[in-house]
Amino acid sequence: AQSVAQPEDQVNVAEGNPLTVKCTYSVSGNPYLFWYVQYPNRGLQFLLKYITGDNLVKGSYGFEAEFNKSQTSFHLKKPSALVSDSALYFCAVRDTGRRALTFGSGTRLQVQP
Amino acid sequence: NAGVTQTPKFQVLKTGQSMTLQCAQDMNHNSMYWYRQDPGMGLRLIYYSASEGTTDKGEVPNGYNVSRLNKREFSLRLESAAPSQTSVYFCASSENPAGNYGYTFGSGTRLTVV
Repeated sequence: AQSVAQPEDQVNVAEGNPLTVKCTYSVSGNPYLFWYVQYPNRGLQFLLKYITGDNLVKGSYGFEAEFNKSQTSFHLKKPSALVSDSALYFCAVRDTGRRALTFGSGTRLQVQP
Repeated sequence: NAGVTQTPKFQVLKTGQSMTLQCAQDMNHNSMYWYRQDPGMGLRLIYYSASEGTTDKGEVPNGYNVSRLNKREFSLRLESAAPSQTSVYFCASSENPAGNYGYTFGSGTRLTVV
């Protein structure tokens, strides 16, 4: 079975500081990993993905994520947070043998001015 | 604008009533999905359709039925609504079952069952 965990319900960071939103996963095969962002009263928007290749993946709005196979993690990062980054962030995983994504419980990112 | 369209956006039902949530995509995607979003639980898969003509159960299918009407449309039906089905429902689509290019989500249907 595939699963994903986001250990932090909320992350608070000051504007201009680096941010990290954590994600760990469990799959039986090779993982396909994704990050999505949800703004209030909106659907989820795709940020970035890891399928294969470089462990550091760059995505939209200056976000990046680092795939770490030994730690089964896929943490979302940004060097300098903006107030407009405040939103709900979801990590998702798909095992090679499955046909749909499994999402984490979400982490609310709050960036203070 | 290309994307996934869900109707209605809001709905209030009484316990025992039935309703159908509609979803349509205009990106020529093969695969479509229904998720529900509940506080603290993230998104949970209800049903999915890997391709036109096929449907499969997800993590929480009880109390729901689906129809893949054609390649564009994938509807979710609640036959006898229960308060536990109060949630925000999202439809999504992807080019293929692998979803390697990510999913495109609709804006959601907020359903309250009283």
